[in-house]
Amino acid sequence: DIVMTQTPLSLSVTPGQPASISCKSSQSLLHSNGNTYLFWYLQKSGQPPQLLIYEVSNRFSGVPDRFSGSGSGTDFTLKISRVEAEDVGIYYCMQSTQLFTFGPGTKVDIK
Amino acid sequence: QITLKESGPTLVKPTQTLTLTCTFSGFSLTTSGVGVGWIRQSPGKALEWLAIIFWDDDKRYSPSLKSRLTITKDTSKNQVVLTMTNMDPVDTATYYCAHRIYDRSLFNFDYWGQGTLVTVSS
Repeated sequence: DIVMTQTPLSLSVTPGQPASISCKSSQSLLHSNGNTYLFWYLQKSGQPPQLLIYEVSNRFSGVPDRFSGSGSGTDFTLKISRVEAEDVGIYYCMQSTQLFTFGPGTKVDIK
Repeated sequence: QITLKESGPTLVKPTQTLTLTCTFSGFSLTTSGVGVGWIRQSPGKALEWLAIIFWDDDKRYSPSLKSRLTITKDTSKNQVVLTMTNMDPVDTATYYCAHRIYDRSLFNFDYWGQGTLVTVSS
């Protein structure tokens, strides 16, 4: 089974400042077809998760360009260039190279 | 416009079987590349993937819960049903269903239902 870890687990950010979340997998997420199936979600309070990033670095429809994803192999990063109040919530990474596994989540709040 | 909605009992007793239904619209589970998955979230905890069914009736289950889960689809009703046997209080969670499609890229769980809270208690 692939295990996902995230750091930090909690992050307090000043509005307008950048933020970065790391996600690591216990095995490479490079699929035999050459794609890497790493996704990022944001779950706001009382809501279901919403897809932010698919396949490592592609923003889903309607996601602001202040969100960006990068990485390869076992190490991945979600960056928010300038945090806004509406970005508060819990961020999860998820792999689907081998079944599906979510990370433990990173709680982001505003200072 | 894709929508999904979970339905089922809000309270089940320990050892009982849980049956949840995901009713969806805006897509067809006969379309190549489409899938519907189930994910749960215990109160205050992280997301946990449970199962997924694909357009071709292929099914995948969480290894840790595989013996207790069954996922099926009824394409005529636009529904996916998840059953979980031998329920325990630790299974108390909000259960979500979510859409997935492979269309030149893989969009895993791009649309979610609002979730349904299931409490396991005697």
